Amino acid sequence: EPEVTQTPSHQVTQMGQEVILRCVPISNHLYFYWYRQILGQKVEFLVSFYNNEISEKSEIFDDQFSVERPDGSNFTLKIRSTKLEDSAMYFCASTFGLGGTGELFFGEGSRLTVL
Amino acid sequence: GENVEQHPSTLSVQEGDSAVIKCTYSDSASNYFPWYKQELGKGPQLIIDIRSNVGEKKDQRIAVTLNKTAKHFSLHITETQPEDSAVYFCAAALYLYSGGGADGLTFGKGTHLIIQP
Repeated sequence: EPEVTQTPSHQVTQMGQEVILRCVPISNHLYFYWYRQILGQKVEFLVSFYNNEISEKSEIFDDQFSVERPDGSNFTLKIRSTKLEDSAMYFCASTFGLGGTGELFFGEGSRLTVL
Repeated sequence: GENVEQHPSTLSVQEGDSAVIKCTYSDSASNYFPWYKQELGKGPQLIIDIRSNVGEKKDQRIAVTLNKTAKHFSLHITETQPEDSAVYFCAAALYLYSGGGADGLTFGKGTHLIIQP
């Protein structure tokens, strides 16, 4: 069964460092997303990406965040200068879009710990 | 923007009994309402979803009802089993049928469902 894969599963970094989280969406999907979940809290939308550009972003997704699809398979989230409050589980998700079921498929997440 | 409220935050039921989780949403434009199950250490997994053009949908032991007028929707799990224990999230979004993908989902805060043996 196709799945969304994320790396790394856990990353520990110092405050102020840059972090890149990587995702490989399901191969024929067209819409890609990043969400985050602070420990014990709800899942929060960060950004959606379609046709090589951001289609929507939340207030959380400020200038410290960026996304990129550098090749035909990877989808990355970069945090330029991490803060303590960026510590969370980051989930990548993808969906086919028009003609599909609408289901959003989530990866297993990348846990980011900022010290 | 959309705001989704979910109740209860914790629900404990005896194995075999039914469980009901309720959500309300604020944006009347939202037309897509999925429910996700999240097991410890894993990503959310879709268990059922409903579009605004139907009032109820059922899949074996799981059903979802939607009341557009009142802007609330509920998840019903019958004959609960130990493997149903997890955190359940409701969500709402404007699903752009013409454009294809859903705008970002707005999630509720989650319900920790505990099935007592």
